[in-house]
Amino acid sequence: DADVTQTPRNRITKTGKRIMLECSQTKGHDRMYWYRQDPGLGLRLIYYSFDVKDINKGEISDGYSVSRQAQAKFSLSLESAIPNQTALYFCATSDFSDNQETQYFGPGTRLLVL
Amino acid sequence: GDSVTQMEGPVTLSEEAFLTINCTYTATGYPSLFWYVQYPGEGLQLLLKATKADDKGSNKGFEATYRKETTSFHLEKGSVQVSDSAVYFCASDTGRRALTFGSGTRLQVQP
Repeated sequence: DADVTQTPRNRITKTGKRIMLECSQTKGHDRMYWYRQDPGLGLRLIYYSFDVKDINKGEISDGYSVSRQAQAKFSLSLESAIPNQTALYFCATSDFSDNQETQYFGPGTRLLVL
Repeated sequence: GDSVTQMEGPVTLSEEAFLTINCTYTATGYPSLFWYVQYPGEGLQLLLKATKADDKGSNKGFEATYRKETTSFHLEKGSVQVSDSAVYFCASDTGRRALTFGSGTRLQVQP
């Protein structure tokens, strides 16, 4: 079974709709992240959480919100989706062991906003 | 702020050719450095890492050496295979919050 899972894997929605992307992990890691990937731009950090009571904005948090429901779950919401939020979204986890940040990624959610 | 710069792709090579993908970083501290690989339709996977100057990370025939004097972490492989076709991301970590990724380099290996 995959250590980091994302649901749904693909989603098509319309402008103005609210949607939620879910991420679950079985690695027991405290740190979780949401990134988006756009062609030619690499991965950009949306939000991150270092534990259940900790939420931090990344470099492109506008238009997004997150919820850390438990150590194992970290959800990303688009309150009112817009077409330029069409992208591939990745969840990641890490445990920052030995003072190093090695991240483990989910398979991604491909989102299309019409 | 921290940044990572990679050579633009795509890089197209014939099987068994030598591969180099350049990566340079800027950081206020002494970051750990990583190479991640993304195969078609999949998420990113850690390929190799190095945590201090002159360290060499290696995995699956790939190598990269942490060069503090040139702030570089170039990825190399002596003989690529078709199965190495993927997108490769260089990343840095200064321990402050999360990884900083480069824009990715697509590698296409032809038989």
